[in-house]
Amino acid sequence: EVQLVESGGGLIQPGGSLRLSCAASGFTVSSNYMSWVRQAPGKGLEWVSVIYSGGSTYYADSVKGRFTISRDNSKNTLYLQMNSLRAEDTAVYYCARGYPVGAFFDYWGQGTLVTVSS
Amino acid sequence: QSALTQPASVSGSPGQSITISCTGTSSDVGSYNLVSWYQQHPGKAPKLMIYEVSKRPSGVSNRFSGSKSGNTASLTISGLQAEDEADYYCCSYAGSSILYVFGTGTKVTVL
Repeated sequence: EVQLVESGGGLIQPGGSLRLSCAASGFTVSSNYMSWVRQAPGKGLEWVSVIYSGGSTYYADSVKGRFTISRDNSKNTLYLQMNSLRAEDTAVYYCARGYPVGAFFDYWGQGTLVTVSS
Repeated sequence: QSALTQPASVSGSPGQSITISCTGTSSDVGSYNLVSWYQQHPGKAPKLMIYEVSKRPSGVSNRFSGSKSGNTASLTISGLQAEDEADYYCCSYAGSSILYVFGTGTKVTVL
């Protein structure tokens, strides 16, 4: 059974850093396209970043230069390093498995809340 | 890259059919048959309902169907049921630099 479990969220001051983790089971992270998608309170979904099976990474303009996506193959875990956090980064962050050919997300974690506030 | 445009809300009575539109541009919806739809109940993670415009994943009811014409994709829910009350989001591939763009979301209410 495919499972994705996020962790690492919490309250952080503006300008601070946080690292989110997404532990996967039932499939191999390194063989799949893995994305982070966020949802601000009461708002819609926003794609944040993707790491392809080959290792290429891409980011939404809103986080480019501040966020870094990575994975640890030995732990079958996806990460999102978030630096220079802003109030507008406050959201529930979901990790999702992407299906490359069809460009869709077939499995999602339960999400972890990041609150950026002083 | 702007979000795809969806109506804020759509409602219908049990047993009726409703359609949710998702309007993009020639750079996303209009260029690729790579539109997907997600259902999200309050406090829950999104769930894939439709992919590649009109394909249904295993386990998704055949009451859900998708289509596309030009720059607009649509999700139709037939035989509306109480459990269909949720938020729905479309998503389109948008090319090698933007990659993915989501819709603004539609709240479906079953009257």
